[in-house]
Amino acid sequence: AQSVTQLGSHVSVSEGALVLLRCNYSSSVPPYLFWYVQYPNQGLQLLLKYTSAATLVKGINGFEAEFKKSETSFHLTKPSAHMSDAAEYFCAGRLGSSNTGKLIFGQGTTLQVKP
Amino acid sequence: ETGVTQTPRHLVMGMTNKKSLKCEQHLGHNAMYWYKQSAKKPLELMFVYSLEERVENNSVPSRFSPECPNSSHLFLHLHTLQPEDSALYLCASSPLGAGGAEQYFGPGTRLTVT
Repeated sequence: AQSVTQLGSHVSVSEGALVLLRCNYSSSVPPYLFWYVQYPNQGLQLLLKYTSAATLVKGINGFEAEFKKSETSFHLTKPSAHMSDAAEYFCAGRLGSSNTGKLIFGQGTTLQVKP
Repeated sequence: ETGVTQTPRHLVMGMTNKKSLKCEQHLGHNAMYWYKQSAKKPLELMFVYSLEERVENNSVPSRFSPECPNSSHLFLHLHTLQPEDSALYLCASSPLGAGGAEQYFGPGTRLTVT
């Protein structure tokens, strides 16, 4: 079955520490993968996306993610957390051959940044 | 500016009311989506419209009725809702046959059913 799984519903880091948010996918075809961020009472904003051009993808706000086919993973990282990074993060994938543009979302990870 | 707008941003309604949520996109996309986001729950896809035709309805109760009059507008008509329908309702759009294209989200409508 096609799915996107985020490991850890809550992640807490200190300001300046490495941020690592985990995402794994299950897909029968090469996937397109996305990371979105959501601040309170707002919509989802795209951080970055993987579309097979390069396995290491750089996004906005200093975030990046690496596509690893052997591990079926697309983990999100940032070398140094800022207080403003505190938000909900969603990994999503376009995993099948549907032409409707439908995305499958992970459960979300809340990132807490401590001073 | 995401190019997807939603109105109203906040809505409080009683269980016997009828109201509508509106979504508008100015991105030239031809696929549009309604999502429900409840506290402590994953994002739930409700409806998918492709070229103004509904192509997916994920077992959504009939008290939610979508309408897509053209490729730029999407409505969600609400009637006789239940308190558990209180949530953030998000609209999104994308190109058809999207491949690697992302979905663009509106800011959402925070719905409270009393």
